[in-house]
Amino acid sequence: DQQVKQNSPSLSVQEGRISILNCDYTNSMFDYFLWYKKYPAEGPTFLISISSIKDKNEDGRFTVFLNKSAKHLSLHIVPSQPGDSAVYFCAASEWGAQKLVFGQGTRLTINP
Amino acid sequence: SQTIHQWPATLVQPVGSPLSLECTVEGTSNPNLYWYRQAAGRGLQLLFYSVGIGQISSEVPQNLSASRPQDRQFILSSKKLLLSDSGFYLCAWRRTVTNEKLFFGSGTQLSVL
Repeated sequence: DQQVKQNSPSLSVQEGRISILNCDYTNSMFDYFLWYKKYPAEGPTFLISISSIKDKNEDGRFTVFLNKSAKHLSLHIVPSQPGDSAVYFCAASEWGAQKLVFGQGTRLTINP
Repeated sequence: SQTIHQWPATLVQPVGSPLSLECTVEGTSNPNLYWYRQAAGRGLQLLFYSVGIGQISSEVPQNLSASRPQDRQFILSSKKLLLSDSGFYLCAWRRTVTNEKLFFGSGTQLSVL
């Protein structure tokens, strides 16, 4: 049972344009959502998070949007830069739960 | 500041051999500790987590086990490795408060041949 799904295994975007990565979830008890970035042979690093009481959170070039009714979140990167090329994972957690559930990841490639 | 150490970075082991991966966290006390695995082309799968010394929760039945002998030490083990145990293993920690992010180690690439 895949509770967090990233349906696009890969995405290619031109440098300077907007990158939009999508994530869907099925568990309505999830109330905290995160995005991580991962380079090959390295551990994931935290990018940005959002709680269910918000529908948007911004941090520099990164913005996360949450649509609770659709059980959907997205990560926007503007403008996209070559260093953004990596695998992006979304993750979710229930209130008080000890663990994060991750999606399958989306490989983002920024083309010069 | 808190740091997480995971070793070795790469490991090649024959089928049927034992495994021991170690992870330690510095700069914090009583963290939640986690072992994840990323198999080739797949997402991050939670294997084990621990909320305290000697307390282990297993998420997926498998050939692996975990132990937490000290507050900031988490060990992943196997008595006999299988080919399907190959993957990228990640240790992570989190503060024991609600809605906190995970901090990951640098990972161990395990190849079972």
